[in-house]
Amino acid sequence: AQRVTQPEKLLSVFKGAPVELKCNYSYSGSPELFWYVQYSRQRLQLLLRHISRESIKGFTADLNKGETSFHLKKPFAQEEDSAMYYCALSGAGSYQLTFGKGTKLSVIP
Amino acid sequence: DAGVIQSPRHEVTEMGQEVTLRCKPISGHNSLFWYRQTMMRGLELLIYFNNNVPIDDSGMPEDRFSAKMPNASFSTLKIQPSEPRDSAVYFCASSSVNEQFFGPGTRLTVL
Repeated sequence: AQRVTQPEKLLSVFKGAPVELKCNYSYSGSPELFWYVQYSRQRLQLLLRHISRESIKGFTADLNKGETSFHLKKPFAQEEDSAMYYCALSGAGSYQLTFGKGTKLSVIP
Repeated sequence: DAGVIQSPRHEVTEMGQEVTLRCKPISGHNSLFWYRQTMMRGLELLIYFNNNVPIDDSGMPEDRFSAKMPNASFSTLKIQPSEPRDSAVYFCASSSVNEQFFGPGTRLTVL
């Protein structure tokens, strides 16, 4: 069975501080990992995916197969980063996503 | 394209009433998903359609929940009878490859 774990329900950081949102997964195979973000009163949207290996809004995430992790990082948090972040996994060739329970990021001015 | 469209955006009903949530996916997308979001459980997949056919409904909580997709541009999620524990935000999403695009959600409150 596939599972995504986000151990922190809430993470508060000061503006300008580094951010790391943790995500661990369980999957027997080669998964595809994603981060979705939901800003206040907006719909859930894709932030980044591991296969793209890109930086979006200053965020990056590296897939670590040894540690089965896909942590989301940003070196300097901004107030507009405050949102709900969901880590998600899909199996190879599958359109179905399994989501973690989400982490609410609050950036303190 | 306006993206995934859901209606209504808010629904308040009384226990025992029937509730119907509607979704219009993005044109050309062949997969459609219904999710439920609560504080306790986060985002849960309820059911998933591919080419209008239900593929996985293992997330549907119980027989009170049913979903249909009569054509490629419309889907419904029905709860009959509704209960207070069904109160949540229900999201519809569609995809053509492995990126899902979400609708704005329907906030359901069952009194």
